Amino acid sequence: AQSVTQLGSHVSVSEGALVLLRCNYSSSVPPYLFWYVQYPNQGLQLLLKYTTGATLVKGINGFEAEFKKSETSFHLTKPSAHMSDAAEYFCAVTLGQGAQKLVFGQGTRLTINP
Amino acid sequence: EAGVAQSPRYKIIEKRQSVAFWCNPISGHATLYWYQQILGQGPKLLIQFQNNGVVDDSQLPKDRFSAERLKGVDSTLKIQPAKLEDSAVYLCASSLETGAQETQYFGPGTRLLVL
Repeated sequence: AQSVTQLGSHVSVSEGALVLLRCNYSSSVPPYLFWYVQYPNQGLQLLLKYTTGATLVKGINGFEAEFKKSETSFHLTKPSAHMSDAAEYFCAVTLGQGAQKLVFGQGTRLTINP
Repeated sequence: EAGVAQSPRYKIIEKRQSVAFWCNPISGHATLYWYQQILGQGPKLLIQFQNNGVVDDSQLPKDRFSAERLKGVDSTLKIQPAKLEDSAVYLCASSLETGAQETQYFGPGTRLLVL
């Protein structure tokens, strides 16, 4: 079985500060990993994804994430937070083969303080 | 390119009533998904279609929920009868193909409140 754990349901940072949103997964086979962002009253939008190859993945809006197999982690970072980054962030995983179901974490709400 | 369209955006009903949601995926996308997102949780897959066939409906409460995708394009999700615990946002998504690495594109969702 596969699952996703996001550490911290709510993260608050100051504008210009580092953003770090944590995600750990459990999977018996190599996973495909995704980060989605959800702005209020909107659907989810893909930030970035890891499938194969380079473990450091760059996404939209200055976000990046690193796949660390030894730590079963896929943490999301951004060097300098902007007010427009305030949103809900979801980590998700699918198995590399076979089943195609996308399993989401519970989400982390990011607040940016001026 | 037009995104995934959903309607209505909001719906309030009383328990035991029925309700239907509509989704129009991105043109050319073969795979369509319906998710349920309860407040404070991540989306949970209810059903996945590949063209007009069901790929996965293992988490669909089939005693009250039904979904169809006629002609492999638009889809409707129905709840009959609704329960209080069905209050949630229902998200529709589509992807070009079916595959574990495919990017899913989400619609804005339908927010359902059951009183």
